[in-house]
Amino acid sequence: KNQVEQSPQSLIILEGKNCTLQCNYTVSPFSNLRWYKQDTGRGPVSLTIMTFSENTKSNGRYTATLDADTKQSSLHITASQLSDSASYICVVRSSGGYQKVTFGIGTKLQVIP
Amino acid sequence: EPEVTQTPSHQVTQMGQEVILRCVPISNHLYFYWYRQILGQKVEFLVSFYNNEISEKSEIFDDQFSVERPDGSNFTLKIRSTKLEDSAMYFCASSELGNSYNSPLHFGNGTRLTVT
Repeated sequence: KNQVEQSPQSLIILEGKNCTLQCNYTVSPFSNLRWYKQDTGRGPVSLTIMTFSENTKSNGRYTATLDADTKQSSLHITASQLSDSASYICVVRSSGGYQKVTFGIGTKLQVIP
Repeated sequence: EPEVTQTPSHQVTQMGQEVILRCVPISNHLYFYWYRQILGQKVEFLVSFYNNEISEKSEIFDDQFSVERPDGSNFTLKIRSTKLEDSAMYFCASSELGNSYNSPLHFGNGTRLTVT
């Protein structure tokens, strides 16, 4: 069964600090992995996409990594801002149709002043 | 930037009643979806829609659910006879292409459905 596990479930950090969120997946066959940011009461918004051949990708202060061998991804946020407070969801797509998109439960990040 | 819009933002209904959730996808997108998220749980796929027909649906999407694109802009989800366990946030999404690498899902802000 395809699964996406995220850790930690929640995280509180001080403004300006860095943090790293983890995603482990068992989706097969793997197509791509996206990180989404979901603000409270809003829909998820795509931050970055990783495919099998990509190890690292940056989008501003967000850097995602992928290790396809160990089936792990991380999302690193540098110099956190209050607006980074949100849930970060790891979404893995398998080759095939839309049922093959598996969502993680998300990591709830709170950035405090 | 174009957005997926959903109405209403919050819908309260009594068990057994019919509800229609409405969505306006991004205008040049061809693929439309409904997802739901029960409070505290993962986002779950319900159905995908392309070329005026359902392309895929999950086991959640039973005979109580239906989707329609009544005109060139709206995309609706109907729940025929709501149950308490249908209470969730329902997200509409659209994408420009299907399984293409460069085609992320664009989500609306959701409709919170509360069944009492």
